[in-house]
Amino acid sequence: QVQLQESGPGLVKPSETLSLTCTVSNGSISSGGSYWTWVRQLPGKGLEWIGYIYYSGTTYYNPSLESRITMSVDTPKDQFSLKLSSVTAADTAVYYCSRSSDGYNFDSWGQGTLVTVSS
Amino acid sequence: QSALTQPPSASGSPGQSVTIPCTGTSSDVGGYKYVSWYQQHPGKAPRLMIYEVSKRPSGVPDRFSGSKSGNTASLTVSGLQAEDEADYYCCSYAGSNHFLFGGGTTLTVL
Repeated sequence: QVQLQESGPGLVKPSETLSLTCTVSNGSISSGGSYWTWVRQLPGKGLEWIGYIYYSGTTYYNPSLESRITMSVDTPKDQFSLKLSSVTAADTAVYYCSRSSDGYNFDSWGQGTLVTVSS
Repeated sequence: QSALTQPPSASGSPGQSVTIPCTGTSSDVGGYKYVSWYQQHPGKAPRLMIYEVSKRPSGVPDRFSGSKSGNTASLTVSGLQAEDEADYYCCSYAGSNHFLFGGGTTLTVL
């Protein structure tokens, strides 16, 4: 069973860039045609799909966040990353990395990491 | 694109059945077979419970079932158990490799 683990700063200042990395274990990021996904959960609220990246580097982003998102993949390290620029307090959330093995369902999840945007 | 609509709460007694609806549009729920459901216990990551409207991943009890009619998908939990108390989220493919989640429903086992 593939395992995912998010890492990155828990505190980011307003207007700066949020950067998170997800490390994949018990599996290869470049095998099986999976899409590597970021989802966030605003405090006390529902889930929001941020986007996903194929191992080849092809990306698909949520239109509402697209202008601020960059995703990348590092296949030798079995890692993929999220950068969200110009953050505000509204970006404070628990950020999850996830795998979509078929491009349509999110079947494995990391434990999530809380990122707070505050000065 | 707006989030899918779910009731904020649902409840049932142990052994009973409860159904949670998820309403979208013809551009998402009604237009594709890719509706999934996720269970989330407090402080935990979501867990895939149903995919492609009605399919169960390995390890998910058959008490969980899914269906769809028009622009509304539904999750039914039969034979409610205490451990089913959690938040449930629907998710739909919305075309062009984009996805929408519902606002979530808190299921309480009375």
